[in-house]
Amino acid sequence: QQQVKQSPQSLIVQKGGISIINCAYENTAFDYFPWYQQFPGKGPALLIAIRPDVSEKKEGRFTISFNKSAKQFSLHIMDSQPGDSATYFCAAAGYSNASKIIFGSGTRLSIQP
Amino acid sequence: ETGVTQSPTHLIKTRGQQVTLRCSSQSGHNTVSWYQQALGQGPQFIFQYYREEENGRGNFPPRFSGLQFPNYSSELNVNALELDDSALYLCASSLDGPNSPLHFGNGTRLTVT
Repeated sequence: QQQVKQSPQSLIVQKGGISIINCAYENTAFDYFPWYQQFPGKGPALLIAIRPDVSEKKEGRFTISFNKSAKQFSLHIMDSQPGDSATYFCAAAGYSNASKIIFGSGTRLSIQP
Repeated sequence: ETGVTQSPTHLIKTRGQQVTLRCSSQSGHNTVSWYQQALGQGPQFIFQYYREEENGRGNFPPRFSGLQFPNYSSELNVNALELDDSALYLCASSLDGPNSPLHFGNGTRLTVT
């Protein structure tokens, strides 16, 4: 059972454009939604996270939008740069233990110069 | 601050053999989680250790087992290796408690032939 569905699988964006990655979840017990960034040969690194008591969280060029009623959330990368080229994973966990994280299948993002 | 370190970085084993992977957690972190990441997929939760006890397990058979030591380092053992066990094995450490982010190592790439 795929509890966190992520789309698209791959994404190509021009430098300076906006990258948008979408995720949907099924389990209403989830209440912690992190995004991880992974470069080739490296482990995932936490990028930004949100809890469902807010609808949006922004950190620099990265913004999470959260729609609790639709059980959907998305990552927006503003002014995308070639250094943002990586694989991005959305994820979800229960608040009681944010270490037991369920990951989406990933989006390979490529920023064209 | 020392990050999460894993050893070895790469490993080749034959079907039916046993393997032990090692992880040193980030300084001060008392919880260790193990994930399996198949090529092109998101990480899948294997299990978590807290205070040397297993504290949650994903959908993996008993031939996947682990240990956590008093210094919070950890081992992942896999018996009777199968070809489908070929993957990147990621260790992540965290502080116990809600909203505690995972800090991943760079993984061990296991190839089963």
